[in-house]
Amino acid sequence: EVQLVQSGAEVKKPGESLKISCKGSGYSFTSYWIGWVRQMPGKGLEWMGIIYPGDSDTRYSPSFQGQVTISADKSISTAYLQWSSLKASDTAMYYCARAYSYGDMDVWGKGTTVTVSS
Amino acid sequence: DIVMTQTPLSLSVTPGQPASISCKSSQSLLHSDGKTYLYWYLQKPGQSPQLLIYEVSSRFSGVPDRFSGSGSGTDFTLKISRVEAEDVGVYYCMQGIHLPRVTFGGGTKVEIK
Repeated sequence: EVQLVQSGAEVKKPGESLKISCKGSGYSFTSYWIGWVRQMPGKGLEWMGIIYPGDSDTRYSPSFQGQVTISADKSISTAYLQWSSLKASDTAMYYCARAYSYGDMDVWGKGTTVTVSS
Repeated sequence: DIVMTQTPLSLSVTPGQPASISCKSSQSLLHSDGKTYLYWYLQKPGQSPQLLIYEVSSRFSGVPDRFSGSGSGTDFTLKISRVEAEDVGVYYCMQGIHLPRVTFGGGTKVEIK
């Protein structure tokens, strides 16, 4: 069974750094993209970017370029989304999903809730 | 960026009745390779989104055949032939023609009367 298991909920203060993870199993992790999607409280879906773990090719939505870093460690079939300095506006649910080269996503993780509050 | 506009914002449907959601894009989603990169997702309450339809009209694995997608260019439609209680949630269209400028529609909430 194809699965993406995301790390647990996080509560952080503004200015802190954070790295959340997404571990794939049940398929060839290096042969598919992994995408990240943000959902702010009570809002819709926002596509953030994708990474191809096979060669670490990474594409960011212009809205998120420079705001987050997407990375992957293919040796442990895990993708990451990280922030160097969190803001309150980063409070959201973040989903990872197996993705394809036109941004579509077929298998989704359960999401990681990130709360940033002083 | 391509703007995806969904209508209506919400829909209340009697079980067994049809439902239709419109999605309009600000630019054509027809790629030079002949494919149209328009997708539909459903996010059920408290769950992650799930892929329903890819490339306008192809149902993803396991999606019931009461769901169908149609359209071309800039105008697209998702239809549910007979709504069931399990179909409640928020439906999103998404375009992927200009990676990484991928955008979602604002969502259409479907509830049961």
